Amino acid sequence: DIVMTQTPLSSPVTLGQPASISCRSTQSLVHSDGNTYLSWLQQRPGQPPRLLIYQISNRFPGVPDRFSGSGAGTDFTLKISRVEAEDVGVYYCMQTALTTRTFGQGTKLEIK
Amino acid sequence: EVQLLESGGGLVQPGGSLRLSCAASGFTFSNYVMNWVRQAPGKGLEWVSTIGTAGSTYYADSVKGRFTISRDNSKNTLYLQMNSLRAEDTAVYYCAKDVVGVLAPDYWGQGTLVTVSS
Repeated sequence: DIVMTQTPLSSPVTLGQPASISCRSTQSLVHSDGNTYLSWLQQRPGQPPRLLIYQISNRFPGVPDRFSGSGAGTDFTLKISRVEAEDVGVYYCMQTALTTRTFGQGTKLEIK
Repeated sequence: EVQLLESGGGLVQPGGSLRLSCAASGFTFSNYVMNWVRQAPGKGLEWVSTIGTAGSTYYADSVKGRFTISRDNSKNTLYLQMNSLRAEDTAVYYCAKDVVGVLAPDYWGQGTLVTVSS
C-alpha cells in the first residue's frame, strides 16, 4: 500500500498569514491514465470531511481561491494564501491512484 | 441537492455483525463510485472500501475478508456488511461519493457511529 506522510502535523498560524502543508507518498501517484490522483480534504470540528482540491491542483467548486495545490510525482503541497478563522480544522491528503486508497495522518490547523 | 444519509450504527459485541446503509438522493446513484471511510474517536480518516459503478469492490487490508460493500441501484442505497467485528473497528463510518471520472470523494454523509465493546 502507498503510505502518505504529512508535515507538519500541527500548524499554528496567525490570521491573515499564509499556511503550507506538505504531503509525500511512498510511490508515484501518476496513474496509468496519465493523471495524478492526489486530493486535499478539510475537516472542520464536528463536521464530515470536505473536498478542497483534486488531481493535485483543481479546486472543487465553491472552494475559496486562497486554497491552492501543487506538486508532482510523490511530493505535494496545499497552500492557504491568507488564513481565515473558518479554516481551522484538520487537513488530509488522500491518494486514489491505486484501488486501495490511503489518507495522510492529518494536519491540524489552528490560530495562534 | 446531494444527500447521503448513513444508518445502522450502534453498539455491538466483539465478534458480532452489523450492516450499515447509506441512502443517497439528489444524483443518479448508479453513475457514481461510492466509498466507506471511517474515523476512530479522536483519530484520522481511514479508507475502508470502494465500489465501482459496475460493482467492482476494493477493501483496506484491515477489513478484507470481514467487511462486504454492496450497492442496490434500484434503491439508491450503499451498504457495508461488517462481520467478526473487533474493538478496533469502533469508529464513525462515513459514506462518500466520488466526483465522476476524478477519483476524489466530493460529498460525504454525516456518519454513523459503530461501537464494538462487551
